Amino acid sequence: EAQVTQNPRYLITVTGKKLTVTCSQNMNHEYMSWYRQDPGLGLRQIYYSMNVEVTDKGDVPEGYKVSRKEKRNFPLILESPSPNQTSLYFCASSRTPPDTYEQYFGPGTRLTVT
Amino acid sequence: GENVEQHPSTLSVQEGDSAVIKCTYSDSASNYFPWYKQELGKRPQLIIDIRSNVGEKKDQRIAVTLNKTAKHFSLHITETQPEDSAVYFCAVGGMSGGYNKLIFGAGTRLAVHP
Repeated sequence: EAQVTQNPRYLITVTGKKLTVTCSQNMNHEYMSWYRQDPGLGLRQIYYSMNVEVTDKGDVPEGYKVSRKEKRNFPLILESPSPNQTSLYFCASSRTPPDTYEQYFGPGTRLTVT
Repeated sequence: GENVEQHPSTLSVQEGDSAVIKCTYSDSASNYFPWYKQELGKRPQLIIDIRSNVGEKKDQRIAVTLNKTAKHFSLHITETQPEDSAVYFCAVGGMSGGYNKLIFGAGTRLAVHP
């Protein structure tokens, strides 16, 4: 089954404790992206990757890191989480724009930073 | 950068009525305009999209119209049903200075009452 998976689905952590949210896709997509969803703000892009070893900032990259060492994986790293990073996070993948922009989203990770 | 505004933020209709959601954007170079539906607790999923060389696209009860001159596009849902209740997001892609990005609107919560 074609899918995007994320882990963990729920995470409660404390300020400053490094964490990683994993994302994996099995559709051989070149393009992968991370979004955060906050009430009243919609989905905001954090980082995206056009292919292995190629990453770029989205609109809200501060406080986040990513890496793309393999085509199927695109982990999101919060080196020193803060309460304002409490949010619902979605990973997504697609074939490379502009051929298609259709994003296939993962199930989401709800992060709470206390 | 690109700015996407979506209205209304909430919309309540009776079953069988039509619903219209509108988005405006600022970058005239933008050329891709998708709509995503997010049911409660689930991931966003693409329901329809349009490119800038097309003025209107239909898929059964849903349609999207694009006015490039005025820089706005709209989602039309006819004969609404309770299962149409969800949050709908517009997005814009292909803008100058960020060709590979997708910028989402803040979302519209649609409630369809039986």
